[in-house]
Amino acid sequence: GAGVSQSPSNKVTEKGKDVELRCDPISGHTALYWYRQSLGQGLEFLIYFQGNSAPDKSGLPSDRFSAERTGGSVSTLTIQRTQQEDSAVYLCASSRAGRSYEQYFGPGTRLTVT
Amino acid sequence: AQTVTQSQPEMSVQEAETVTLSCTYDTSESNYYLFWYKQPPSRQMILVIRQEAYKQQNATENRFSVNFQKAAKSFSLKISDSQLGDTAMYFCAFMKHEAGSYQLTFGKGTKLSVIP
Repeated sequence: GAGVSQSPSNKVTEKGKDVELRCDPISGHTALYWYRQSLGQGLEFLIYFQGNSAPDKSGLPSDRFSAERTGGSVSTLTIQRTQQEDSAVYLCASSRAGRSYEQYFGPGTRLTVT
Repeated sequence: AQTVTQSQPEMSVQEAETVTLSCTYDTSESNYYLFWYKQPPSRQMILVIRQEAYKQQNATENRFSVNFQKAAKSFSLKISDSQLGDTAMYFCAFMKHEAGSYQLTFGKGTKLSVIP
């Protein structure tokens, strides 16, 4: 595709529900990154994928957060038992292998937990 | 750990004027990248300019230029001939320059408004 796409654009969910956020990277980009942007914490790194494997999950804020990537392409970020503090914009980025200094971002998913 | 500080939460500039956004960082690394990203209301982060720390020459991209002072750990962004489309949040970011590095560390951002 022309750029990184994310869906849904906006998601409103009730506290305690599970949500899935999707990221479609640029075709040919083997590296994929998730970030979270919140009012209190600013922009934080969550997780990085190279191909289907995630060598670094240290940025995930709790064990309620998980992410997977299949086929070296689409990635899903899952938040279980959502809490109000999970409300944020979740940004996905991708890059070619070895070119993490050229990360292209998607438009993000705004998650609101009520 | 690296930290990035943007001390100006909000700024405004008249259309066609020049504005400078400030950024300082703290690191013990000797080689790294510094970035300025723009985030308009559409939310999509767009890379404005990138600087490699080992390069002494300041990076320039059209109306955007940086003043990189490695010893002072300062990395400011100058926007010349400001345009209405420059209205956005601007984030300064840091990344280590080594094999396997991938994590961007961002500042809190500066909200820039260009006034017609």
